[in-house]
Formats: sequence, structure tokens, C-alpha cells
Amino acid sequence: QSVLTQSPSVSGTPGQRVAISCSGSSSNIGSTYVYWYQQLPGTAPKLLIQMNDRRPSGVPDRFSGSKSGTSASLAISGLRSDDEADYYCAAWDDSLSASVFGGGTHLTVL
Amino acid sequence: QVQLVQSGAEVKKPGASVKVSCKASGDIFTTYEINWVRQAPGQGLEWMGWMNADSGNTGYAQKFQGRVTMTRTTSITTAYMDLSSLESDDTAVYFCTAGRANSGWAYWGQGTLVSVSS
Repeated sequence: QSVLTQSPSVSGTPGQRVAISCSGSSSNIGSTYVYWYQQLPGTAPKLLIQMNDRRPSGVPDRFSGSKSGTSASLAISGLRSDDEADYYCAAWDDSLSASVFGGGTHLTVL
Repeated sequence: QVQLVQSGAEVKKPGASVKVSCKASGDIFTTYEINWVRQAPGQGLEWMGWMNADSGNTGYAQKFQGRVTMTRTTSITTAYMDLSSLESDDTAVYFCTAGRANSGWAYWGQGTLVSVSS
């Protein structure tokens, strides 16, 4: 059972916009930064969003992050077939003194 | 930018220990925090702990307290993760990852598969 809660799967068609949600609590998302990682099959995760809503250099602006209260969201617009991957949210948890992940959301591009 | 190269796959028996290395290059090693994350087959990501590459200070997930040790050798810009008392459910790919405070983990090693089987 993950500390951060994500839907197991989401799907969309090419060109569409999808959103992936991440729910936490006051000890993690509610009080610290949220990060998003993309993991393509068989590869290491890649940092997509840092500090709630900032894109590292090289990440397309089709990817955007937001946070409100104890929830966060990753939006992907202009969906492409190579966006098909697992997406994880992560945050520091003050109560646990630990970094925590969501269980991951698998994005299928139909 | 920093590149991280991890040691090769390991096969261990239950009760044994494993030490995975993570060699950094391309940037100043001691300006980073090194975190270790593992992924069991078909499962999600699990954070194990962090280490300040400069001071050597560490913090471990409660689940691994007493069983994991994270160290580094700054002269060869290499971080290590030592996991003892291995069990079959420690079978996973272990990743090292580097980042600076609040910036997230921008740099990842290629992963090291540790298989635990009798």
C-alpha cells in the first residue's frame, strides 16, 4: 500500500489530453514539493516535473504539473504513442522522514 | 550534469549480503545527494534511503533500517548501497539516483538486478 495514491491506469488517444492524479496527506503533498517521473519499459525513471510544476530542461511543455492542497496532478497534452509509460508521483513525507512514491499509473495510448 | 554507472547483476542466496556500486562522473560528486530506489519485478518504485555525498550523512526508510548501509568513497566518486540478510522478496532492480536539494532526482543509474534465490 503506497503512501501516495494514484489510479492504476489511464488511457487516451493521440492528440488528446490526459491527467494523472496523486493523492496524499498534510505530511507529504500538503507540506512539501511533488515530483513526477516517467518510466518507459525496461528503463530507469526520468524526472518530468520538479517542485510541483517546474519542467527540467529538455522536458516538452506538453507535460505540466499542478498541486492543490493534498493532491497533485500531471497533465499530458497532445498525447503521443511514445508517451505510453508508467508515471509516478513522489514527495517527501515529514512524518515518516522518508521520500514516498505513488503506486504508479500506466498510461496507454490507444 | 552527472552520469551514473552501476555495478553488474548479482545472484545471492537468502541470508547473504549484496553491495551495489554507483560510479558518478561529469560533475562535482560532493554537490549531490544520492538516493537509492528499488523496483521488484512488475512492481512500482520503492525508496530505500539517501546519502549526502559530501558529508556522508544518511537517512533510511524505516523498512530497511538495520539492514541497509549507504556509503561513498569521494576520491573515486562512487556511492555504495549494502543490503544484508537478503530474502527472496529483495529480488529487484536497484537504482541509484542523484539530485540537488529540492530539484528532484534528475540523474539515474542504469539499474542493477539483484536476484535472491536458494
